Parts: sequence; structure tokens; C-alpha cells
Amino acid sequence: QQQVKQSPQSLIVQKGGIPIINCAYENTAFDYFPWYQQFPGKGPALLIAIRPDVSEKKEGRFTISFNKSAKQFSLHIMDSQPGDSATYFCAGSNFGNEKLTFGTGTRLTIIP
Amino acid sequence: DAGITQSPRHKVTETGTPVTLRCHQTENHRYMYWYRQDPGHGLRLIHYSYGVKDTDKGEVSDGYSVSRSKTEDFLLTLESATSSQTSVYFCAISLSAYSGNTIYFGEGSWLTVV
Repeated sequence: QQQVKQSPQSLIVQKGGIPIINCAYENTAFDYFPWYQQFPGKGPALLIAIRPDVSEKKEGRFTISFNKSAKQFSLHIMDSQPGDSATYFCAGSNFGNEKLTFGTGTRLTIIP
Repeated sequence: DAGITQSPRHKVTETGTPVTLRCHQTENHRYMYWYRQDPGHGLRLIHYSYGVKDTDKGEVSDGYSVSRSKTEDFLLTLESATSSQTSVYFCAISLSAYSGNTIYFGEGSWLTVV
């Protein structure tokens, strides 16, 4: 049972473009939605996270947009750079639950 | 990097043999996790621990067992490895159960079952 659906599976964007990765969740009890970034040969690392009481959160060039009614959230990367090339995972969890449910990942490539 | 060490980092083993992966943390975090990562499936939780000798199953626990005899060590055992268990295994830790607490991942253990 996949509770967090992520798309696209892969994405190629030119440098300076704005890649957008989308996620949809099923569990309405989820109240924490992090994004993890993973470089080849490394473990995932927390990039940015949002709670459903806000519709948008920005940290540097990374922005999460959140639509509670649609049960969807997305990651936008402004002024993308080749160094942003990585695999990105969205996830969800609910308060008091020590487990994260991950999406299937998006492999992002930024071409110069 | 969070103080997480996984060993071995790479292993090739034969079908039917037992395999143990070790995760060691220096952060004194209460929660420890084992995930596997496979193309098209993302990261899936195998087992997790919420304290010494306290463990529970994740979504893909069949064929795996875990043990935690000390706060800093969490072992994942494949009793009889199968080719479907060829994967990258990640250990992770977190400080508390409450959502919003960051989960930190180790660098992974690449396991090939031939």
C-alpha cells in the first residue's frame, strides 16, 4: 500500500529552470511532510519540511507548496544548478508516529 | 554527517546464507530504523527500534530480524538470504517519536545476493 505517491519518476531541467516535483498522500492523519535529498552513493538528508497549517515554506532556493484540501504538496527549486542533481524523496508522518512513509523518489538532472 | 556507521558497506553473498548488517550510532538517539531502497519503490521500512530490546516491524519485514542490545547498535539479520533481498540498506536514527523530528540516515550498505 503506497500512501505517498510521487511524480515524476525522473526529470531533466536546464540550469536556471524551476523543476517541480509533486506528491500526493492518502493518510489524512499526516501532519509533517519532509523532503529528503540524496546524492549518489550517499544516504538521504533532510532538505526542507512543512506542516499542514501553512501553505508554503521557503528555505533558500527550495520551496514547498502545500494544498491540504487536495492532499498534495510539491517541491520547487528556484534557479536550479547542476549541483542540485540528485534524487528527491517526499515523505509523510503523523504526530507521535516514529515512522516516515516515503514516496518512490524523483531523479533530477540539471543540465548546464 | 550524523554519527552513524554502517558495516559492511558492500557485501556479496550466496543465496541461503545468513547475513548480518550492523548499524552503530554515537548520537545516543532513542529511535533506530532499517530501510531498504529499491528502484521504483523508494525507501521502505523494514524494522525499527524505540529502545534497547524494543523493536517493531515495518512494511517489509518478512525474511528479516533485528536486535538491539545496546542503545548504540542495531543489527539487521537476513536469516537465509534470497535474491529479492539484493538492495541498498540504510540505517537511520531519530531523537524522539514526535513528527517533526529529523531522521538521519547512514551512508548505506550495498548487498548483492547471488
